[in-house]
Amino acid sequence: DQQVKQNSPSLSVQEGRISILNCDYTNSMFDYFLWYKKYPAEGPTFLISISSIKDKNEDGRFTVFLNKSAKHLSLHIVPSQPGDSAVYFCAASDPNFGNEKLTFGTGTRLTIIP
Amino acid sequence: NAGVTQTPKFQVLKTGQSMTLQCAQDMNHEYMSWYRQDPGMGLRLIHYSVGAGITDQGEVPNGYNVSRSTTEDFPLRLLSAAPSQTSVYFCASSPGTAATNEKLFFGSGTQLSVL
Repeated sequence: DQQVKQNSPSLSVQEGRISILNCDYTNSMFDYFLWYKKYPAEGPTFLISISSIKDKNEDGRFTVFLNKSAKHLSLHIVPSQPGDSAVYFCAASDPNFGNEKLTFGTGTRLTIIP
Repeated sequence: NAGVTQTPKFQVLKTGQSMTLQCAQDMNHEYMSWYRQDPGMGLRLIHYSVGAGITDQGEVPNGYNVSRSTTEDFPLRLLSAAPSQTSVYFCASSPGTAATNEKLFFGSGTQLSVL
């Protein structure tokens, strides 16, 4: 049972436009959410996170929105750049376990078209 | 700044062979973990450790052993490799101990094929 779902395996966006990556979760115990970015032949790197007490967190071109009632979060990248082409993983954490039971989604491959 | 170092980068095994995937970190992190990445499955936790001498099972521990004799090293052992263990393996670490939300630092991965 996939508790964290990224329903779009891939997404293509024109350079300079907005990229929106979506993530849904089913476990209401999740209270902390993270996005990781992964380039080919490299390990994932942390991008941005959000706690359930917030509905938005911004870091430069990256903004994460959380809708707790819908159990949905999204990552917005504005403006999109060629270096943003990567696989993006959404992850969710249960407060009782933290990193011990971090649950990852299946990833979305973002391609930025120059 | 080496961060998290994994060796080897690539490995091909025959069914039944054993091997150890190495992981070392130089950030003095307490928490270390092993994940596997499979197509359509995301990253799944195999084993983790919250400090030297302490290990525990993750979501998919069967077929794997770990130990943590030092803070720096967290090797993953496959005792009798099976084709189902063909995957990309990532080691990760974070400063915090149990039940924290600190971001993970990942190694660059080991691509393992079991024939």
